[in-house]
Amino acid sequence: EDQVTQSPEALRLQEGESSSLNCSYTVSGLRGLFWYRQDPGKGPEFLFTLYSAGEEKEKERLKATLTKKESFLHITAPKPEDSATYLCAVRSHGSSNTGKLIFGQGTTLQVKP
Amino acid sequence: NAGVTQTPKFQVLKTGQSMTLQCAQDMNHEYMSWYRQDPGMGLRLIHYSVGAGITDQGEVPNGYNVSRSTTEDFPLRLLSAAPSQTSVYFCASTPGGERSGYTFGSGTRLTVV
Repeated sequence: EDQVTQSPEALRLQEGESSSLNCSYTVSGLRGLFWYRQDPGKGPEFLFTLYSAGEEKEKERLKATLTKKESFLHITAPKPEDSATYLCAVRSHGSSNTGKLIFGQGTTLQVKP
Repeated sequence: NAGVTQTPKFQVLKTGQSMTLQCAQDMNHEYMSWYRQDPGMGLRLIHYSVGAGITDQGEVPNGYNVSRSTTEDFPLRLLSAAPSQTSVYFCASTPGGERSGYTFGSGTRLTVV
């Protein structure tokens, strides 16, 4: 069964304190790992797609990496505006023609000034 | 370019009532999906569509119906609302292709009393 587990559930950082969020997955043939940001009361906002082990993507203070079993979202020198829930999702080989995603439960990040 | 538009944003229903949640996208995306988001459960797929006239069930389809008569619209119908359907509902679309991100709407917060 395809499964996605994110850790930690919640993370509190001081402004400027770098850290990483983890997304572990088991899937029958990965066909894409997706990172989203979700602000309270809003829909998820697409950040990155990673497709193969070793791939990296960057956007401002965020950097996503991928191995065969997990993905990390590294946050460098975070600012209060980075506070949000970060969601990880995977698409499996069996779902590649359907658009189906399996989501983790998310990591809620709070960055204090 | 509005992206994915969901209406209404908030709704309160009585047990047993029916209603339709509207979803429209103006990006000519082939794939559309409905998710529900509950605390501690993450986003779970209800129904999805890979094109006009084609729909299929996701992880939690019971109590919901969908249809896709046009590429743009993908309404979700609650047949007989139950308190267990209290949730936040998100519609999403993607053009397809393995690296394509998904665009989410802003959500409908539904309460069934």
